[in-house]
Amino acid sequence: DAGITQSPRYKITETGRQVTLMCHQTWSHSYMFWYRQDLGHGLRLIYYSAAADITDKGEVPDGYVVSRSKTENFPLTLESATRSQTSVYFCASTRGPDNEQFFGPGTRLTVL
Amino acid sequence: TQLLEQSPQFLSIQEGENLTVYCNSSSVFSSLQWYRQEPGEGPVLLVTVVTGGEVKKLKRLTFQFGDARKDSSLHITAAQPGDTGLYLCAGADRGSTLGRLYFGRGTQLTVWP
Repeated sequence: DAGITQSPRYKITETGRQVTLMCHQTWSHSYMFWYRQDLGHGLRLIYYSAAADITDKGEVPDGYVVSRSKTENFPLTLESATRSQTSVYFCASTRGPDNEQFFGPGTRLTVL
Repeated sequence: TQLLEQSPQFLSIQEGENLTVYCNSSSVFSSLQWYRQEPGEGPVLLVTVVTGGEVKKLKRLTFQFGDARKDSSLHITAAQPGDTGLYLCAGADRGSTLGRLYFGRGTQLTVWP
C-alpha cells in the first residue's frame, strides 16, 4: 500500500547501544525528514534530506546519524543511545516547498 | 530558536463552545500550514494558507493568514469532542532550505461532552 511506514513502532533499549529506526515511503517524494516529539518541546527537526545522498542537520542532530542511499528509505541511527533520546520519533516526506508533509505513525523509543 | 509561538498551550472547553488558537512569529513565511495530531498517530494536514489575509474554511474550522504573513489563527465554532487533539502550526520559508517546515509547539485541545 502507498504511504509512509516506520519500524519498529516501539523500541526499548539500553544506554550505549546502537539503534536504527527505519522509514520507508512509496510516493518517491524528494524530501524526507526526521523529527522527535517531546512534551514541552513540540516537534523538533533532527535531520532532513532533499534527495538521495543529500542530507543536512536540523535543530537537534547531535547523537544521530542518517543516510539516504535510496529515495524511498531514510534510516535514523542513534550511535550510542542516551536516556535523553527517549522520545517519539516521526518520519515525514513531501514533494517540496509549501507542500503537505506526510507523517509516519511514529516510533516510541525508550532508553533505559 | 522557536520561530513560531502558539497560544494557548492547553485549552479545555465544553462541547458547543467557540475557541481560537493563535500562531505568531516575527518572521515572514511563504505559507503556513495547520496540522492536527491524535494520540499515537502522526500529524495530519488540515489546511495550507499562502496569501496574506487569506481565509479558509473547513466545516466548523476557520483559518486566517495575517496580512504580513507572520501570524495565523484557527477558530473553531461549536467545538465537538471529535475536535480533541494537538493542533500544530508550521511555516514554510522558501528563503531557507526547500521543503523544511518550522513547527510551533502546539495547542492541546480537549473538548468535553
